[in-house]
Amino acid sequence: SQQGEEDPQALSIQEGENATMNCSYKTSINNLQWYRQNSGRGLVHLILIRSNEREKHSGRLRVTLDTSKKSSSLLITASRAADTASYFCATWSNDYKLSFGAGTTVTVRA
Amino acid sequence: NAGVTQTPKFQVLKTGQSMTLQCAQDMNHNSMYWYRQDPGMGLRLIYYSASEGTTDKGEVPNGYNVSRLNKREFSLRLESAAPSQTSVYFCASISRGASEKLFFGSGTQLSVL
Repeated sequence: SQQGEEDPQALSIQEGENATMNCSYKTSINNLQWYRQNSGRGLVHLILIRSNEREKHSGRLRVTLDTSKKSSSLLITASRAADTASYFCATWSNDYKLSFGAGTTVTVRA
Repeated sequence: NAGVTQTPKFQVLKTGQSMTLQCAQDMNHNSMYWYRQDPGMGLRLIYYSASEGTTDKGEVPNGYNVSRLNKREFSLRLESAAPSQTSVYFCASISRGASEKLFFGSGTQLSVL
């Protein structure tokens, strides 16, 4: 079964707006990661947040982690057309498996 | 560096045919993974190899076999393809301890008729 679940499944925004997506997971974690997938391509790692961190920034990305609620959020600020993609959260299990959620598809309209 | 290379990029099979998906990485990574991606399902782990010489089942291993040929190469074999195996397959690798992030290939789109 999947460890992470993203919400919403799909998101459509205007260029320049912010996009926020959420991830909930089931078991305790050491870290949580976010990946991006452009259409027809493989996944690319975006950002990792450790269990002892509450917030992390990377360029226009901001990730938060609430271990008490077993949830994380990814915020993309000032979105661009190039941000159109699917976004996945992922967590490691104890036996070296990285489990992914079903993803959030983001469409940025010009 | 090429990173993670998968071949072929596209394949059409008839039910019952067999084929092998190839994956090679040039990053000297220890661990390699095979995932399948279906619409609305995210990525599901088929098999993984934590290190050269070891392989383990993931979430959906039925109908597949794998071979970790050497440190660079990890192949996925469908012995008797079924329409339920129509999917996009991704190979990924990681050097555990040095990094926590996976590097992915560009995928193989497989259709089983």
